[in-house]
Amino acid sequence: GESVGLHLPTLSVQEGDNSIINCAYSNSASDYFIWYKQESGKGPQFIIDIRSNMDKRQGQRVTVLLNKTVKHLSLQIAATQPGDSAVYFCAETGFQKLVFGTGTRLLVSP
Amino acid sequence: DTEVTQTPKHLVMGMTNKKSLKCEQHMGHRAMYWYKQKAKKPPELMFVYSYEKLSINESVPSRFSPECPNSSLLNLHLHALQPEDSALYLCASSQDLGNGFATDTQYFGPGTRLTVL
Repeated sequence: GESVGLHLPTLSVQEGDNSIINCAYSNSASDYFIWYKQESGKGPQFIIDIRSNMDKRQGQRVTVLLNKTVKHLSLQIAATQPGDSAVYFCAETGFQKLVFGTGTRLLVSP
Repeated sequence: DTEVTQTPKHLVMGMTNKKSLKCEQHMGHRAMYWYKQKAKKPPELMFVYSYEKLSINESVPSRFSPECPNSSLLNLHLHALQPEDSALYLCASSQDLGNGFATDTQYFGPGTRLTVL
């Protein structure tokens, strides 16, 4: 399930399930979007990116969907594994910089 | 290779100390960044260097002083910090600064965990 409050929004899934992490972005002029994974005590790790002229891009077990009409970005992780447990940030391009979303914690239980 | 390295990994300092954080990349990237990250929050941009020149300063207090000695190195000099400056300090680099709203992918280092007593 998903919870929002004083803590990071959290998505809890079972190992093997598919996960969908959502992100709303703010700037319709943004041209480029990135998903980062951040494990505890580490720096953000690049997962996948997408340009505004695309609406879908696939990587290994991950897919990013972009809906420019409603300014919505999603990250789909297939067959989620315990190693996928982390905080996931979306980022959109601001003027010469990235603007990060608030993040979603993904918890994968065996 | 998309590696950005940062030293030290952990740093504890008093409010009267002077210390420096170091960042290095050998990917030939011409843009480098410093971010500050508090627990459960996204990274906040502090400084951007492009071709070794300071391009963006996000109104950071002067007790943080960045330096880019060459295209591979980025330092952050710290002096007279406050306990609220305790955070994870992240360095990142990208191929270039990008053009307007078309930013290049940024690759992050592991960060320096800073504690100010």
